[in-house]
Amino acid sequence: DADVTQTPRNRITKTGKRIMLECSQTKGHDRMYWYRQDPGLGLRLIYYSFDVKDINKGEISDGYSVSRQAQAKFSLSLESAIPNQTALYFCATSDLEAGFNQPQHFGDGTRLSIL
Amino acid sequence: AQKVTQAQTEISVVEKEDVTLDCVYETRDTTYYLFWYKQPPSGELVFLIRRNSFDEQNEISGRYSWNFQKSTSSFNFTITASQVVDSAVYFCALSEATRSGGGADGLTFGKGTHLIIQP
Repeated sequence: DADVTQTPRNRITKTGKRIMLECSQTKGHDRMYWYRQDPGLGLRLIYYSFDVKDINKGEISDGYSVSRQAQAKFSLSLESAIPNQTALYFCATSDLEAGFNQPQHFGDGTRLSIL
Repeated sequence: AQKVTQAQTEISVVEKEDVTLDCVYETRDTTYYLFWYKQPPSGELVFLIRRNSFDEQNEISGRYSWNFQKSTSSFNFTITASQVVDSAVYFCALSEATRSGGGADGLTFGKGTHLIIQP
């Protein structure tokens, strides 16, 4: 089983719909992140969470919200989807060990298309 | 603010050639971390290497090597004797140690270099 699991893997929906992307991890990491990837733009940080009581906005949080339901679960919501939110979305986790940031572990991505 | 620049949008070489992917970064922190990730056509992100700002030693792992130079703020990646399976998008990323002596507020990614290895 994958350490970081994203559901769904693919989603096609219509403008104005509410959508939730889910992420769960078995790595036991405290830190979880949501990124989006657009062609030619690399990955950009949407939201991140250092524990269930710590939620922070990233570079491009407008139009998104998140919920950290448990240490292992971090969901991303689009309250009213719009076409320019069509992208590949990645969830990631990381841990802090001996004062050094550990590499972020990524899920396989959710390909979201908004018509 | 931190920034990562991968000036090479796309590189195409013939198999067995050596190829270097450039990465230049900007940060005001003295403590930071640099990463390379590979994204094959299947779409997942594969971690390749992490380097912290205190360690300027170059690293070699099989056909892969990395050259970290703080003086030029560069962290370049070389593939020796390239193979078709190396075809992918490669991302360089930066993380600053901005929280609690090591916490990172996510990664800042470059836009990626699409590497095409022709048989």
